[in-house]
Amino acid sequence: QVQLVQSGAEVKKPGASVKVSCKASGYSFISYDINWVRQATGQGPEWMGWMNPNSGDTGYAQKFQGRVTMTRNISISTAYVELSSLRSEDTAVYYCARGQSDNGWFRLDPWGQGTPVTVSS
Amino acid sequence: DIQMTQSPASLSASVGDRVTITCRASQSISSYLNWYQQKPGKAPKLLIYAASSLLSGVPSRFSGRGSGTDLTLTISSLQPEDFATYYCQQSYSSPWTFGQGTKVELK
Repeated sequence: QVQLVQSGAEVKKPGASVKVSCKASGYSFISYDINWVRQATGQGPEWMGWMNPNSGDTGYAQKFQGRVTMTRNISISTAYVELSSLRSEDTAVYYCARGQSDNGWFRLDPWGQGTPVTVSS
Repeated sequence: DIQMTQSPASLSASVGDRVTITCRASQSISSYLNWYQQKPGKAPKLLIYAASSLLSGVPSRFSGRGSGTDLTLTISSLQPEDFATYYCQQSYSSPWTFGQGTKVELK
């Protein structure tokens, strides 16, 4: 079955960087974009950006421009998101999700299990 | 960016009740709307895309309607496993944005 499995929880100090991984299985990794979404406690999800695993092309939400980098390793079907200059407001659960688009109808399915990231001094 | 506003923020209902959640967009999004269900400690799960297309395997008691700025998710007969938080997400234009959620609780 299609599955996205993420790396484990992280605790970082303000100003540091964090890198979260997302390993895909059950489908052709290069055929679908990987999106990253984060969710702070009690809040709605917040979309961060997308990456095309085949070309490496990326698109980031303006809020994260300059601080986020999305990459991949095709040989192990794994996508990564790295967020730098962390601050307390970046404390959230970070999710990867496969982007699907049929005839222009875009949606996120499935999602990884989530990676909690805590930023604290 | 397109803002998505859900109402109500929370509701209390009983098993068997009919429940409707509304998602209002800050501009017309045609039918470019997805609905997700999230249970505590779990990732969101897609239920409906393109406003009314039910994902394979999702029970038929879930339905979505509408187009433009006001769209709805209805659960025709609430089941115990439906108590969760529901989010809408517009896919009309990037950046994709989500509503703040509607928590469906047991009365």
